[in-house]
Parts: sequence; structure tokens; C-alpha cells
Amino acid sequence: RKEVEQDPGPFNVPEGATVAFNCTYSNSASQSFFWYRQDCRKEPKLLMSVYSSGNEDGRFTAQLNRASQYISLLIRDSKLSDSATYLCVFFTGTASKLTFGTGTRLQVTL
Amino acid sequence: NAGVTQTPKFQVLKTGQSMTLQCAQDMNHNSMYWYRQDPGMGLRLIYYSASEGTTDKGEVPNGYNVSRLNKREFSLRLESAAPSQTSVYFCASSEPGRNTEAFFGQGTRLTVV
Repeated sequence: RKEVEQDPGPFNVPEGATVAFNCTYSNSASQSFFWYRQDCRKEPKLLMSVYSSGNEDGRFTAQLNRASQYISLLIRDSKLSDSATYLCVFFTGTASKLTFGTGTRLQVTL
Repeated sequence: NAGVTQTPKFQVLKTGQSMTLQCAQDMNHNSMYWYRQDPGMGLRLIYYSASEGTTDKGEVPNGYNVSRLNKREFSLRLESAAPSQTSVYFCASSEPGRNTEAFFGQGTRLTVV
């Protein structure tokens, strides 16, 4: 089983739509969880951390389900500028290692 | 604020040539990473260094070597480049711990012909 599994998409949604991505992980030792955003041919940048109790940052909501070993990202009121690839990331403290998912591509259209 | 600096940004190599990708960070981070990203794929970990003086293999280490020269610098070497190593290479650094952000360099676009 892969360490991280993520639906590659693409997700094509109209502006204003709500879209959600999931990402599952197999290593129960994973301690910290993140969502990164990557624009075409650019380096990934942190979108938000994911906390156990769930957290929100404007139109973005992240959730963690440790029992089922997945994290999710919800984007409300999608904007054209949200078009990008979204990468889930896990930090394993025992190895000080960051593991990335393959990314989910989002395309928001008019 | 330089953050993470990678050089070169672009490189074309012939099969069998060698080269070293340089990475330096000025954030005093302990951990540094090298990833490769192939078209339509996520980032795959080549090697990482949890702290100065240590290096460990990641998911795809074959064909690469690394050196953690000091706390700031982490280089990636291709001893004998192969077309399968054509990719975009990203260096990253972070301070290990919960909810710590990783910062990336701008990437090196390597083509092996």
C-alpha cells in the first residue's frame, strides 16, 4: 500500500462551487499534516496545516480523521485563482521526513 | 529574504555526464530534503537530512548521492546521468516538529539527453 494516496483529478468546477479533496495515509506514526498548493511549474507552498480538531482559513477548511487515517480539504466559493494542484503532506517525526501525495489538480472555470 | 536557494535553475546534460545540484537555506533549519517531480506526479523524496551530519535515503535514491556540507547546504549529485533522471528537482528545508512549514527552492529543471 502506498504511504499516501490522493485522487489526481482533475476536478473541473465552476466558479462559486464547493469542492473537497481527500488524502489517505498508511503510516500511523504520521504526526503532522498539511495541505500545500503548487502552481504550474512553481515550487509548492504551504496552504494550511491540519489540526486534529479541524481548522478553517477563510474559504478553506481542513480536517483530520486519525481513526480512518485521512485528511480532507474543503474549498468553498471557488475562485479562478484557486486553480492549482493541491498536495497533501505528512510529517513523520520518528524519521523527520516529509511525505507528499501525488497531488489533486483543480481547475476552476467561469 | 532568500529562504531556499537552488542552483542551477536549468540544466541539460548528456547521458553519462555528472553534475551537482546546490541548495542553501538561510533559515537555520535542521532538516533538508531533495525531491524530484515528474510530469503529472507528486514529489518523490530522493534523500533527506534530518540534521547536520546525517543523511537518509528516501523513496527513489538510486543514481544519486548527497552531501550535507554544513547546516546551510545540502547538495545532490548525479554521478552518471540517465534520461530517466530528466525531472524537476526541488530542495526544501524545515525545522522538525509539529506543524512546521517546509520551504522550497524554485526548482532545477534537468534534461538528460
